[in-house]
Amino acid sequence: QVQLQQSGAELVKPGSSVKMSCKASGYTFTTYYIYWIKQRPGQGLEWIGRIGPGSGDTNYNEKFKGKATFTVDKSSSTAYMQLSSLTPEDTSVYYCASGAVALDYWGQGVMVTVSS
Amino acid sequence: DVVLTQTPVSLLISLGGQASISCRSSQSLVHSNGNTYLHWYLQKPGQSPQLLIYQVSNRFSGIPDRFSGSGSGTDFTLKISRVEPEDLGVYYCLQRTHNPWTFGGGTKLELK
Repeated sequence: QVQLQQSGAELVKPGSSVKMSCKASGYTFTTYYIYWIKQRPGQGLEWIGRIGPGSGDTNYNEKFKGKATFTVDKSSSTAYMQLSSLTPEDTSVYYCASGAVALDYWGQGVMVTVSS
Repeated sequence: DVVLTQTPVSLLISLGGQASISCRSSQSLVHSNGNTYLHWYLQKPGQSPQLLIYQVSNRFSGIPDRFSGSGSGTDFTLKISRVEPEDLGVYYCLQRTHNPWTFGGGTKLELK
């Protein structure tokens, strides 16, 4: 079955960067886009963007351009998202998702806490 | 960006009852290819969202027929009949017709 396994929680300082991973299994990694979604504590969902694992092509929500960078490692079926110049407003759970239809399958999320 | 407005914000329902959630879009969600990319998700407490309905009215794999979606253009509805305890949580609509993709603000379904 399709699984997306994300890396663990991060506590980072303001101004720093963080890189999280999303390892896919149960399907051919290059078949579907990997999407990234942000959820602030107790809040709704925001679409950050997507990356095509086969081609490496990316599509970012304008709001997150310069903040988020997507990469993939096809050899390990893993997608990565790096967030830079972190501020307390970046404190959120970050999900990866994938699928043929919409955001069919979701990872368990990575809690990123930005605090000095 | 397309704004999706969900109503109500919260819903108190008795077990076995019926719930109806509205999702209204600031623009038509009909894509140039004729498809309408409006989807529904449920986020149970402490869990990741899960896909319930895709493209307005299609149930995702394993989703019971108690869940149904309808609508067109800018107005969409999710109905849940015979509400069960595992249906509780926050429901979100998502549009992917226009970039950037956007979510509704969510509707919290709670037991009366």
